[in-house]
Amino acid sequence: EAGVAQSPRYKIIEKRQSVAFWCNPISGHATLYWYQQILGQGPKLLIQFQNNGVVDDSQLPKDRFSAERLKGVDSTLKIQPAKLEDSAVYLCASSIWDGLDYGYTFGSGTRLTVV
Amino acid sequence: GQQLNQSPQSMFIQEGEDVSMNCTSSSIFNTWLWYKQDPGEGPVLLIALYKAGELTSNGRLTAQFGTTRKDSFLNISASIPSDVGIYFCAGNTDKLIFGTGTRLQVFP
Repeated sequence: EAGVAQSPRYKIIEKRQSVAFWCNPISGHATLYWYQQILGQGPKLLIQFQNNGVVDDSQLPKDRFSAERLKGVDSTLKIQPAKLEDSAVYLCASSIWDGLDYGYTFGSGTRLTVV
Repeated sequence: GQQLNQSPQSMFIQEGEDVSMNCTSSSIFNTWLWYKQDPGEGPVLLIALYKAGELTSNGRLTAQFGTTRKDSFLNISASIPSDVGIYFCAGNTDKLIFGTGTRLQVFP
């Protein structure tokens, strides 16, 4: 099966600019996650969707970050305006509960550099 | 946000050696997962553990769910060059919390 698709792979922007990332999960996976991974750290959950509804966005900096999954499939994550500390890899993952198989599959990520 | 503590932070070993790493938390988790991340890629699931005391193997990898439910261990036997990467533990209750990572370097 096709994996989780993310684009772009790399993005360099100046601080205070806006940026958007796109994710297409594995077909049939109802749950979609956005993670932020700062260099040298483990991924940190930003937001979790179940179909097109938000399950958990407690760690999303809502003053500048927003995410949507309008039709319950693709998702976009936006940062506006970006700060230097937003430089990180943004990972999208999708999952389906399949018995004991967690089925968390991650995309390759978008590496954002804010200068 | 909360992160799990992994040790060691990095390891430099020779091909053929065995590797052990662990993950500890102040919180109890229902599930422990171990991931490997290669440069420029997302984490890939290696092993999932679902109950305290559980010992599970996947080829040369063996992982254990600690009896206190606050820790987990991963062992890699007879390491090979392609084992190079960053290994993350992750604990799950209602959300997946990742560890700080162990960077493994294998020399031929």
